[in-house]
Amino acid sequence: NAGVTQTPKFQVLKTGQSMTLQCAQDMNHNSMYWYRQDPGMGLRLIYYSASEGTTDKGEVPNGYNVSRLNKREFSLRLESAAPSQTSVYFCASSGEQFFGPGTRLTVL
Amino acid sequence: AQKITQTQPGMFVQEKEAVTLDCTYDTSDQSYGLFWYKQPSSGEMIFLIYQGSYDEQNATEGRYSLNFQKARKSANLVISASQLGDSAMYFCAMREGMGGSYIPTFGRGTSLIVHP
Repeated sequence: NAGVTQTPKFQVLKTGQSMTLQCAQDMNHNSMYWYRQDPGMGLRLIYYSASEGTTDKGEVPNGYNVSRLNKREFSLRLESAAPSQTSVYFCASSGEQFFGPGTRLTVL
Repeated sequence: AQKITQTQPGMFVQEKEAVTLDCTYDTSDQSYGLFWYKQPSSGEMIFLIYQGSYDEQNATEGRYSLNFQKARKSANLVISASQLGDSAMYFCAMREGMGGSYIPTFGRGTSLIVHP
C-alpha cells in the first residue's frame, strides 16, 4: 500500500517547455487534487477531480491542464512552462487529504 | 477575505510545554470540516487531526487536540508536551461542500520551533 505517489520528485525546465506531473493513489479514493505551494502562501488548489471522469478548476488553474485517467491516476500538465510556475506541487486524494511527497519544479 | 487565517507566522515553545496554534475560519456553510497538517523541513504534508462542523466534542489524536469554538469560528491546535520533533510548519485547512465536491482551503501556516 504505497498511498499517494508522485513523479518526478525534481524537475528543471526551460521557459516554454512542457511536462506532465504524474500522480497515483492506491486507496480507492474518489477525489484527487493538485496544489502548488509557494513560500509564505500555503497551499493553493490548482485543479481537482471529484470522481473519475470529472475535473474542475481550483483557485489558480491558469497555465495548467489535468487529466483524470482512471480512478487511480490524476496528471497535471504544463503546456508552456513559465518562471512563475516555479513551485512545489503536491497531489492529494480524498477529503482528508492524503498527500504525495511533492514535486519541486524550477522553470528557468 | 481569507477563508482561513493563521495570525501567528512563528511560534516558539520550550520542550515538554504545551502550545496553541491559532486558526480562524470564514464560511457560510453549515457543513464543513477543519483540518490541521504538519510540514517538517523534509517537505511532506502530514495529516494531524480533523473536526467536523457537527461534532460536539473536540477532536483529539494523541498529543494533538483541536479546540473548536464554532460561534467564534476558531479551530486552534493544541500540542501538549512539545517535543523537538514537533518543530515544523503547521497548516490549518477547511473543507466546504460544494455540489458534492469538497473544496479545501489552506491557511498560510505557522512555523513552530521547539527549544530544548
